[in-house]
Amino acid sequence: GAVVSQHPSRVICKSGTSVKIECRSLDFQATTMFWYRQFPKQSLMLMATSNEGSKATYEQGVEKDKFLINHASLTLSTLTVTSAHPEDSSFYICSAAHGTEGQYFGPGTRLTVT
Amino acid sequence: GENVEQHPSTLSVQEGDSAVIKCTYSDSASNYFPWYKQELGKRPQLIIDIRSNVGEKKDQRIAVTLNKTAKHFSLHITETQPEDSAVYFCAASLGPGTASKLTFGTGTRLQVTL
Repeated sequence: GAVVSQHPSRVICKSGTSVKIECRSLDFQATTMFWYRQFPKQSLMLMATSNEGSKATYEQGVEKDKFLINHASLTLSTLTVTSAHPEDSSFYICSAAHGTEGQYFGPGTRLTVT
Repeated sequence: GENVEQHPSTLSVQEGDSAVIKCTYSDSASNYFPWYKQELGKRPQLIIDIRSNVGEKKDQRIAVTLNKTAKHFSLHITETQPEDSAVYFCAASLGPGTASKLTFGTGTRLQVTL
């Protein structure tokens, strides 16, 4: 089956620093990947759609200058949280679209900003 | 944009009983409806999906029904087991294709008691 990995699984950073999260499709190529944020006991909220070789499409209310997305290859998308603040602490999950089979999710990255 | 409502938010059933979770969606153009199971701290896992040209789909103890006229779809789990305890999310999309983003419901926390 389709496998998506994420790195790191957990990260703690200080307020004001930047954090990069990687999302990889291990056994398939993904033209499109998606980034979600999930707060405790809440649903997944789409942040942005990442397209290989082009600019990401951000959902309303998501600051594109704060959440930088780069989809440099067909197997890798990165999300950089810039100038992180405690309110950015959350569970960040990526997914990769696998043809017409739908989306496969990464294991998530738990970000804690102190 | 699409809006997906999900009920109930919590559901407790005894082992062996059935569980039903219901979702409604707003965009009549949506034609792909996946269901995800998420255990605490883990990634969402696709358990079943249905496309708009089908009214019902079954996979062992899990079934999904779709009523496009009423714009609602439901997840049915029969003979529930303790390992079915998790949070379940419904979602709607314009298709399982690579560019189609998912809109998630608010989630249902299912607890199966012995």
